[in-house]
Amino acid sequence: EIVMTQSPATLSVSPGERATLSCRASQSVSSNLAWYQQKPGQAPRLLIYGASTRATGIPARFSGSGSGTEFTLTISSLQSEDFAVYYCQQYNNWPKTFGQGTKVEIK
Amino acid sequence: EVQLVESGGGLVQPGRSLRLSCTASGFTFGDYAMSWFRQAPGKGLEWVGFIRSKAYGGTTEYAASVKGRFTISRDDSKSIAYLQMNSLKTEDTAVYYCTRDRVVLVVYAMYYYMDVWGKGTTVTVSS
Repeated sequence: EIVMTQSPATLSVSPGERATLSCRASQSVSSNLAWYQQKPGQAPRLLIYGASTRATGIPARFSGSGSGTEFTLTISSLQSEDFAVYYCQQYNNWPKTFGQGTKVEIK
Repeated sequence: EVQLVESGGGLVQPGRSLRLSCTASGFTFGDYAMSWFRQAPGKGLEWVGFIRSKAYGGTTEYAASVKGRFTISRDDSKSIAYLQMNSLKTEDTAVYYCTRDRVVLVVYAMYYYMDVWGKGTTVTVSS
């Protein structure tokens, strides 16, 4: 099983600032990596797939990069609606596995 | 509008069974693979299982934690995916989500990511 490790666990950011979230895979997942956003009481929402492709309707302030074992999600200028938990997930191998999540909170 | 709606959750005793349904609308259900995920209270996301579209054999994959106890099936005529859960344990308590899966073809390999999620249904296993 591929273990996904996200850092940091919590990120305190002021509105308008840049947020950088990291995700590391225990072995290569190529570019088969997705990022999801989850707000309290809601289902996850797809942000990025293929490591760097924004899903339909996702604002351009969200960007993903990386391949192999190291990945990054960047939110260029945090808006109030972006404070949430973010999960990375690999779909290169079965079982599909998630990182433990990074909570982006208001500083 | 593309939509997935889970139903069938509730309170069930350990060792009993429960069947969840995922009703799809707004897209051609039979063209897509589907997955089930769960999230225990205050915890992260866990993949439960997956079913391919009939075009790719309609075969299934399961997480080790549920293999042999849970079964995923689909009824394309009704646009519904099912999660049959048997021999339930207290650790199966969670919100269960279904997802629509998009396929990525790379040479001879196929990869699936989830682009649409339902709102979830809560399963509580307790005596």
